[in-house]
Amino acid sequence: DAEITQSPRHKITETGRQVTLACHQTWNHNNMFWYRQDLGHGLRLIHYSYGVQDTNKGEVSDGYSVSRSNTEDLPLTLESAASSQTSVYFCASSEGGANTGELFFGEGSRLTVL
Amino acid sequence: ELKVEQNPLFLSMQEGKNYTIYCNYSTTSDRLYWYRQDPGKSLESLFVLLSNGAVKQEGRLMASLDTKARLSTLHITAAVHDLSATYFCAVPDTGTASKLTFGTGTRLQVTL
Repeated sequence: DAEITQSPRHKITETGRQVTLACHQTWNHNNMFWYRQDLGHGLRLIHYSYGVQDTNKGEVSDGYSVSRSNTEDLPLTLESAASSQTSVYFCASSEGGANTGELFFGEGSRLTVL
Repeated sequence: ELKVEQNPLFLSMQEGKNYTIYCNYSTTSDRLYWYRQDPGKSLESLFVLLSNGAVKQEGRLMASLDTKARLSTLHITAAVHDLSATYFCAVPDTGTASKLTFGTGTRLQVTL
């Protein structure tokens, strides 16, 4: 079955360290997204991609970067982790073109920055 | 800027009762999505509403979309404990099909 997997599922790091969260989907979807979830804020969009070599900033992109070198993967990098980036991160994907736009989510990565 | 608002934010209801969750959004959209999230889990797609007047039902949940009023409702009929979860609505940004803005969620607690 097609799926979307995130790793690591849990990570604790220190302020100032670089952290990369992996996202891999086997849906062959063109669109991939990174959201963060915090209490009281729902889900907020960090970065997204509509295809290979395409990346775009979302609502809360400061301190984060992504790259899309193939269809399956969209890793999220925190250049210098800050305590404000402690959160649960969700990767999601959807088909491109004329489709329903329905998002399929990974299981989430819980990041703690000390 | 697209804003998506849900109310109530928290809902405690008894088993067997009916209730409605509301989702309002600020810009034109012809589609809307509902998701469910159990504590500590990921988001699961519940309904995809793709046009004005769309109505979808699954078990005790029914969702509808009024694009003119920029309003969607998620109606719960005869609630059961298994429906306890957080429910999110999401709307695509103008001109896109996939870039979704989410509401802050409605946490539903169904008590015995």
